[in-house]
Amino acid sequence: NAGVMQNPRHLVRRRGQEARLRCSPMKGHSHVYWYRQLPEEGLKFMVYLQKENIIDESGMPKERFSAEFPKEGPSILRIQQVVRGDSAAYFCASSPSDTPNYGYTFGSGTRLTVV
Amino acid sequence: DAKTTQPNSMESNEEEPVHLPCNHSTISGTDYIHWYRQLPSQGPEYVIHGLTSNVNNRMASLAIAEDRKSSTLILHRATLRDAAVYYCILNSNTGKLIFGQGTTLQVKP
Repeated sequence: NAGVMQNPRHLVRRRGQEARLRCSPMKGHSHVYWYRQLPEEGLKFMVYLQKENIIDESGMPKERFSAEFPKEGPSILRIQQVVRGDSAAYFCASSPSDTPNYGYTFGSGTRLTVV
Repeated sequence: DAKTTQPNSMESNEEEPVHLPCNHSTISGTDYIHWYRQLPSQGPEYVIHGLTSNVNNRMASLAIAEDRKSSTLILHRATLRDAAVYYCILNSNTGKLIFGQGTTLQVKP
């Protein structure tokens, strides 16, 4: 079991470009969560998705950010027109259920640097 | 979401037990108590979780107070690799974990 796979591990983008971050959940997990960690800060919830549905996007900025989890393929977090303040580590987690009796498995993250 | 309170930092000596406390006085009856840790430059790692009874696994033990308003994560023999930020989180039925600032554990050789 390969665990939660995130790629790329490191991503450098110039201001104004688009960033696409991918997350493949663990086999059998249909619930995906994205978190952002700014330098020297804690983890902030962004969005919770199930296959083809956004369940909770209360932590995601209203502009430039979007997320999807299609029927086939990985979950994608997309940031359009990146700015320096988007530089952060983005972590994805997955779980087999939305009930609280399951631990979440996190990926190793994507470190986004905007230059 | 109900909140948790943890000390900002703790120190331990290698090979000694570590007790990491967490207060959650507003916990509701259906909230599970989850612990995660984050090693430097890595993603969070699940440690343990429980509802009412104490729990043990290969990584740690979780002691839950009878009134459930506090809990303690116990590392039985700390190693240098246990140096990390430890997060105590209440997992309700919302489907998302809310991370606080956690406890930074330093382990001295």
